[in-house]
Amino acid sequence: AQSVAQPEDQVNVAEGNPLTVKCTYSVSGNPYLFWYVQYPNRGLQFLLKYITGDNLVKGSYGFEAEFNKSQTSFHLKKPSALVSDSALYFCAVRPLNSGNTPLVFGKGTRLSVIA
Amino acid sequence: SQTIHQWPATLVQPVGSPLSLECTVEGTSNPNLYWYRQAAGRGLQLLFYSVGIGQISSEVPQNLSASRPQDRQFILSSKKLLLSDSGFYLCAWSVSLAGTDTQYFGPGTRLTVL
Repeated sequence: AQSVAQPEDQVNVAEGNPLTVKCTYSVSGNPYLFWYVQYPNRGLQFLLKYITGDNLVKGSYGFEAEFNKSQTSFHLKKPSALVSDSALYFCAVRPLNSGNTPLVFGKGTRLSVIA
Repeated sequence: SQTIHQWPATLVQPVGSPLSLECTVEGTSNPNLYWYRQAAGRGLQLLFYSVGIGQISSEVPQNLSASRPQDRQFILSSKKLLLSDSGFYLCAWSVSLAGTDTQYFGPGTRLTVL
């Protein structure tokens, strides 16, 4: 069965510093990988996804993520954090050729950017 | 463009009362539809998903049920609410693209059971 792990419940970073939110996955075969962000009392917003091709994926709001097959990771990164990036971040996975099956989400990582 | 609506935005209900939450999608046809619950602002629990009218897959046995009476309408119901049903309920949609489809989420309904 497929699964996603977000090993950090909370990540704190100073404004202007680079940020990384970690995600590792476990699937049979190749994965489709996704990142979402959730602001308080809001639905999840799609940030980016990896399907195939270039391992570095660029998404919304200056975020990017790097697919690393050997480490089964898909860490979310941003070169310079903003206070407005403070939110809950979710990684999700779907195995290749899995048809209409829903995404499997991690438990979320709360990012706090301190001014 | 596609949009997804959920209502109500907030709901306070007594234990034992019925529940009906509605989700509708505009601007697309034959979407996959999903209901999630989020407790205490953390992880998502998939409750139901549907790939077509009248086709419902249940992920967690509990006192909730789902129905899809129309192509772009997804309803979450309960006959008798429990305290443990409190949470943030999220509806999502996607269009199947051989597994690459992105799920897009609605604004959510905050349910408090007292």
